[in-house]
Amino acid sequence: LAKTTQPISMDSYEGQEVNITCSHNNIATNDYITWYQQFPSQGPRFIIQGYKTKVTNEVASLFIPADRKSSTLSLPRVSLSDTAVYYCLVVGGQNFVFGPGTRLSVLP
Amino acid sequence: GAVVSQHPSWVICKSGTSVKIECRSLDFQATTMFWYRQFPKQSLMLMATSNEGSKATYEQGVEKDKFLINHASLTLSTLTVTSAHPEDSSFYICSADGDRGTTYNEQFFGPGTRLTVL
Repeated sequence: LAKTTQPISMDSYEGQEVNITCSHNNIATNDYITWYQQFPSQGPRFIIQGYKTKVTNEVASLFIPADRKSSTLSLPRVSLSDTAVYYCLVVGGQNFVFGPGTRLSVLP
Repeated sequence: GAVVSQHPSWVICKSGTSVKIECRSLDFQATTMFWYRQFPKQSLMLMATSNEGSKATYEQGVEKDKFLINHASLTLSTLTVTSAHPEDSSFYICSADGDRGTTYNEQFFGPGTRLTVL
């Protein structure tokens, strides 16, 4: 299972764009990169998933370089309600391995 | 679509008693369900993988006789914490393997159950 490394915490202000980078140097050919968001005392919520290049949905964008050894989750114009823990996972089979995640704090 | 529920959302019990937590996929069938445990300020840790109609596969270090898992149907998996002790107090989260046709190996997570053992 590919291990991921991401910053433990980040601070941002409302209205700013936030980019969280995740390293996954030993990602396998069949692995996908998936990001989840978790609020306190709630289950993780799927944000976005991608294999290569760029993926965009209504809440975020995911940038994946050609070598796929890292990925960047981009949250446009964050609000206070985006304060949460964000997990980067490399998924190649059924088992999901959660790292410590990035604790994002959005300040007013 | 792809909603997973858990019941109860919060339970307090006395030490030595058993507690059952239910995980249901409400609008889809889940061949595989997963049980995680999360301690405060820590990440999710996979406890076991549950396949419908067969025995669960437990992660290393998880006592299968203490954490009984039953996956009797394609929409329901249960986790029973037997003879619970204060150190079992944690946030238990289930997920179900689903396919929405556009993503690969997506898991849908329940809202979690907070267990407090006195």
